Amino acid sequence: AQSVTQLDSQVPVFEEAPVELRCNYSSSVSVYLFWYVQYPNQGLQLLLKYLSGSTLVESINGFEAEFNKSQTSFHLRKPSVHISDTAEYFCAVGPDGGTSYGKLTFGQGTILTVHP
Amino acid sequence: EAQVTQNPRYLITVTGKKLTVTCSQNMNHEYMSWYRQDPGLGLRQIYYSMNVEVTDKGDVPEGYKVSRKEKRNFPLILESPSPNQTSLYFCASSLETVNNSPLHFGNGTRLTVT
Repeated sequence: AQSVTQLDSQVPVFEEAPVELRCNYSSSVSVYLFWYVQYPNQGLQLLLKYLSGSTLVESINGFEAEFNKSQTSFHLRKPSVHISDTAEYFCAVGPDGGTSYGKLTFGQGTILTVHP
Repeated sequence: EAQVTQNPRYLITVTGKKLTVTCSQNMNHEYMSWYRQDPGLGLRQIYYSMNVEVTDKGDVPEGYKVSRKEKRNFPLILESPSPNQTSLYFCASSLETVNNSPLHFGNGTRLTVT
């Protein structure tokens, strides 16, 4: 079985400050990792994903995440946040093939609030 | 416009009264899935479907049914709703398996069972 733990339920920061949202996972097989973002009153949108290759992945709006296999982590970072980054962020893990390739497990979510 | 459409957006019902939440996608996606979102628990998968007539249980299938008779539609059925099914429900679809293509989510259905 696979699981995801997001270590912080809420993260308040000031505008232009750096931020890190922490995610740890457990799985008995190779995994694919994702970060999704949910803006108020909307569904989730894919922010970035790790499938293979470079362990550092980036999104188009300045977020990046690093896959660390030894620490089973996939933390999300941004060097300078904007008010518009205020949202809830979900880490998710998907199995690498096998019989359960349709299952995607989400973490509990981290609410990022950016203050002016 | 490519989208996943859920209806209704809000629903209040009473215990035991059967209901259906519809989900439709216009992107010819193979994969569709239902999730429920509860505070502190994140999203939990209810059921998913890899293709027409192929459905499988997620992590919390009890009390729910689904069907996939057409590629574009994936309704969620609560035969006898109970208060513990009060939640925010999301339908999602993707072109292929969730590992190879991103999930596209609907805007959610907020269900209250009294």
